[in-house]
Amino acid sequence: DGGITQSPKYLFRKEGQNVTLSCEQNLNHDAMYWYRQDPGQGLRLIYYSQIVNDFQKGDIAEGYSVSREKKESFPLTVTSAQKNPTAFYLCASNERDLGPEGYTFGSGTRLTVV
Amino acid sequence: EDQVTQSPEALRLQEGESSSLNCSYTVSGLRGLFWYRQDPGKGPEFLFTLYSAGEEKEKERLKATLTKKESFLHITAPKPEDSATYLCAVGRRGSTLGRLYFGRGTQLTVWP
Repeated sequence: DGGITQSPKYLFRKEGQNVTLSCEQNLNHDAMYWYRQDPGQGLRLIYYSQIVNDFQKGDIAEGYSVSREKKESFPLTVTSAQKNPTAFYLCASNERDLGPEGYTFGSGTRLTVV
Repeated sequence: EDQVTQSPEALRLQEGESSSLNCSYTVSGLRGLFWYRQDPGKGPEFLFTLYSAGEEKEKERLKATLTKKESFLHITAPKPEDSATYLCAVGRRGSTLGRLYFGRGTQLTVWP
């Protein structure tokens, strides 16, 4: 079955550490997105990519970095510069233009600072 | 500035008590309005897409409607398994193709 796989489901980060969240899709979608979800805040866009080797900052990109070396993969690195990284992170994908279902979402990664 | 506002933030219903969730939007040129359901600790799941005022979509106990300024998600005779957070999102013309703008969601609790 086609879909988006996020891993790990739970991740713990120590102060000063960089961590990388994985997002892989087998839907042949051109565009991929990373969102952060905090209670009461809704989904906030971190980074997005419409084609391989190209990506743009979203609304809250500071302290995060991404790469898009393959169409299927869009990993997100949470750097030590991100001061409040504890959140639920969602990866999504779609055709470069909006399809009938908007986004397909992954199951999310919960990141906790310890 | 484009905005998507959902209300109420939280809603508690007794099983069988029908109600509606609201999503108001102020985007310049709507390309589609999307409803998703999200269970705790999981990614959102697609429910409906609406494209033009007057359009309606139904699925089991849920019915989504669209006007020029807002959308309603009507829940008829809800059951406890309908408890979830419901997210509304819009795509707009002239924006990054494919990007959606989300509301903060309505957390629905249905008790027996």
